[in-house]
Amino acid sequence: DSGVTQTPKHLITATGQRVTLRCSPRSGDLSVYWYQQSLDQGLQFLIQYYNGEERAKGNILERFSAQQFPDLHSELNLSSLELGDSALYFCASSAQGATNEKLFFGSGTQLSVL
Amino acid sequence: EDKVVQSPLSLVVHEGDTVTLNCSYEVTNFRSLLWYKQEKKAPTFLFMLTSSGIEKKSGRLSSILDKKELFSILNITATQTGDSAVYLCAVGAAGNKLTFGGGTRVLVKP
Repeated sequence: DSGVTQTPKHLITATGQRVTLRCSPRSGDLSVYWYQQSLDQGLQFLIQYYNGEERAKGNILERFSAQQFPDLHSELNLSSLELGDSALYFCASSAQGATNEKLFFGSGTQLSVL
Repeated sequence: EDKVVQSPLSLVVHEGDTVTLNCSYEVTNFRSLLWYKQEKKAPTFLFMLTSSGIEKKSGRLSSILDKKELFSILNITATQTGDSAVYLCAVGAAGNKLTFGGGTRVLVKP
């Protein structure tokens, strides 16, 4: 168990809908990352937060947004969902958010858009 | 654009064999290279390498980094069925960017 908690584990929804994925980092970790993993794309970095502030942005679509709250949990909001958004969404955390730190991954949220 | 390429894409071996996985990269302002193992869901950390030529070892797994030639290898000796997984290489660069490769799927047959 990595200590990173993601909910829900599975989500099935329809095109055009909006969903929210939730992540609680490991105790003591200040930085949260969101990744998308689809079969043909591998692990794609979406966005990183550190202590409530956005620190780095990857290939995150404009339909997607995220935030990190004062208690350090994070939410990833996906709106106007398309079939191609179906993927496994991972949250990861690290202590200080530096690139020489290892990431601890949650078990992921499997999103299916029908 | 930062790039991390892993090879082979997949391989099948028998228990007891040795496997070598490759990771090559092109990134601006390299900071670190990390290896992860992904079995069913969450990737789990294996190694982090920052210096060339220093082998990191954990049991039957070992890894080394060559910063001049821009690659790393992950070796697994005396493979077991429990080593079956996708192995991911990730490279950290300046600007807090961590780029993952596409992974190598390893299947170890009894």
